[in-house]
Amino acid sequence: EVQLVETGGGLIQPGGSLRLSCAASGFTVSSNYMSWVRQAPGKGLEWVSVIYSGGSTYYADSVKGRFTISRDNSKNTLYLQMNSLRAEDTAVYYCARDPFGATIGWNWGQGTLVTVSS
Amino acid sequence: QSVLTQPPSVSAAPGQKVTISCSGSSSNIGNNYVSWYQQLPGTAPKLLIYENNKRPSGIPDRFSGSKSGTSATLGITGLQTGDEADYYCGTWDSSLSALWVFGGGTKLTVL
Repeated sequence: EVQLVETGGGLIQPGGSLRLSCAASGFTVSSNYMSWVRQAPGKGLEWVSVIYSGGSTYYADSVKGRFTISRDNSKNTLYLQMNSLRAEDTAVYYCARDPFGATIGWNWGQGTLVTVSS
Repeated sequence: QSVLTQPPSVSAAPGQKVTISCSGSSSNIGNNYVSWYQQLPGTAPKLLIYENNKRPSGIPDRFSGSKSGTSATLGITGLQTGDEADYYCGTWDSSLSALWVFGGGTKLTVL
């Protein structure tokens, strides 16, 4: 059974850093396109970043230069390193799997809440 | 302001049919497959439709998708109270600002 479990969220001050993890089971992270999608409180979904099976990475303009997506194949885990956090980064962050390279969000984790506030 | 435009809300009675539209451009819907997601209150999104009109295993055939030009539509027949949720369309985008874009979401109320 495919399972995605995000951890690492919490309360962080503006300008701070946080690393989110997404532990995967039931499939191999490195063989899939893996994304981070966020949802601000009461708002819609916003795509944040993707890492292709081949290792290429892409980011939304809103996080480019501040966030870094990566994976640890030995731990079958996806990461999102978030630096220079802003209040507008406050959201639930979901990791999502795309096994075919065509549809983001074939499977989703339960999400982890990041709150950026002083 | 989302790249893909959806109506903020739709409503219908149990047993009825409802459609949700998703309007984009040639840089996204016009040249890519569209997906649809259901988000029940307090839960993660769930894939309902992929590649415009295909349903993942376990999704009932009450849910359907279609695409024409730069617009897509989600249809739900035989509405149930359990269908009350937010629905999002999504697709790839060839613009420079984001690789994947979502619609703003549509709140479905089953009266």
